[in-house]
Amino acid sequence: DTGVSQDPRHKITKRGQNVTFRCDPISEHNRLYWYRQTLGQGPEFLTYFQNEAQLEKSRLLSDRFSAERPKGSFSTLEIQRTEQGDSAMYLCASSSPTGIYEQYFGPGTRLTVT
Amino acid sequence: SQQGEEDPQALSIQEGENATMNCSYKTSINNLQWYRQNSGRGLVHLILIRSNEREKHSGRLRVTLDTSKKSSSLLITASRAADTASYFCATDVRDSNYQLIWGAGTKLIIKP
Repeated sequence: DTGVSQDPRHKITKRGQNVTFRCDPISEHNRLYWYRQTLGQGPEFLTYFQNEAQLEKSRLLSDRFSAERPKGSFSTLEIQRTEQGDSAMYLCASSSPTGIYEQYFGPGTRLTVT
Repeated sequence: SQQGEEDPQALSIQEGENATMNCSYKTSINNLQWYRQNSGRGLVHLILIRSNEREKHSGRLRVTLDTSKKSSSLLITASRAADTASYFCATDVRDSNYQLIWGAGTKLIIKP
């Protein structure tokens, strides 16, 4: 099964530390999305890439968050100086050039900031 | 910010019964999607309905869309234990880069 993969699946970190998550989309998908989801809520959009270009970023995303997608393949999401409010599930999704609206999600990375 | 709102927040029914959940949204859309999320498989796309469609079927799923009321419903017929999950509606935003905006979901429990 070559679905969307995310690494790590779980991350526990102390407040103030930096963390980086990785997402590997489905290979032919050129669009990649990051979302954040807290308990009992739907996913909240963070940012979007088309190939290697970051085309959209949520206004709610603080400057402690940065994402990259070098060469238009895998993507990383880094959170600097983590805060307890950053604790959430971070979801990555990808979509193909043809089925652009349907998004395929990875299993997520659960971040706990202590 | 959340655009969609699902109703009810939670629903518990007996296996074999039908389950209906509703979604309302605020702005004009190109399409609306329904996704399912459970702990085993994460978020999975179920069905997409375009703004010029009123009803769509996929297996035991039936989705309706009323753009005049800015609302959609998802009907699951002959429910099974495996349908136990949270169900989310997601809408795109016109003139966006295919960003999806999500509701808070309906938690569906199917009792055996």
